[in-house]
Amino acid sequence: DAGVTQSPTHLIKTRGQHVTLRCSPISGHKSVSWYQQVLGQGPQFIFQYYEKEERGRGNFPDRFSARQFPNYSSELNVNALLLGDSALYLCASSLGQGYSNQPQHFGDGTRLSIL
Amino acid sequence: DAKTTQPTSMDCAEGRAANLPCNHSTISGNEYVYWYRQIHSQGPQYIIHGLKNNETNEMASLIITEDRKSSTLILPHATLRDTAVYYCIVRVGSGGSNYKLTFGKGTLLTVNP
Repeated sequence: DAGVTQSPTHLIKTRGQHVTLRCSPISGHKSVSWYQQVLGQGPQFIFQYYEKEERGRGNFPDRFSARQFPNYSSELNVNALLLGDSALYLCASSLGQGYSNQPQHFGDGTRLSIL
Repeated sequence: DAKTTQPTSMDCAEGRAANLPCNHSTISGNEYVYWYRQIHSQGPQYIIHGLKNNETNEMASLIITEDRKSSTLILPHATLRDTAVYYCIVRVGSGGSNYKLTFGKGTLLTVNP
């Protein structure tokens, strides 16, 4: 079975631009979470979506937004990119509510570089 | 979610058991212990999780002390491919809908030939 897939794998943008990152969860998983990992640090939680609704939000500015589609795939959008947004963006999926102790499974991320 | 404390780095000889400790002295009764690892340039990989009983799967064993204030991840026969950063995370496992994982800096395990 396919794991969590993310696209693109690498992306280069300039300051002020916006970016859309995509994530397809493991088949049967209804919850998707997004994390940002800056070089040398552990991943930091951005959003969690379940059944197309936002269920959790980390300490990130409003420039960051996300949505989940009826097929449970998800997009992360970042507007007005800053140099500090350069990071590995990770998507994780899990079965979701009712299976809450079940683990999240991560994709290999999108490496975003801001010039 | 409870905070965890892990050593910054550890070394292990190839073929030997790797024992990675984690302290979580403020863990609550409904919080699970999860272990992930991250190999360079890849996403975190789930290893194992548990509440209070010891757990074993094809990758590793998880030993949780009786008071649940600490745990140890055991890789029984470490290989060079087990070199990675290992994260111990404590998280509420039931109730609510916020399933965020709070990562610390983890332990860099280096398996030497």
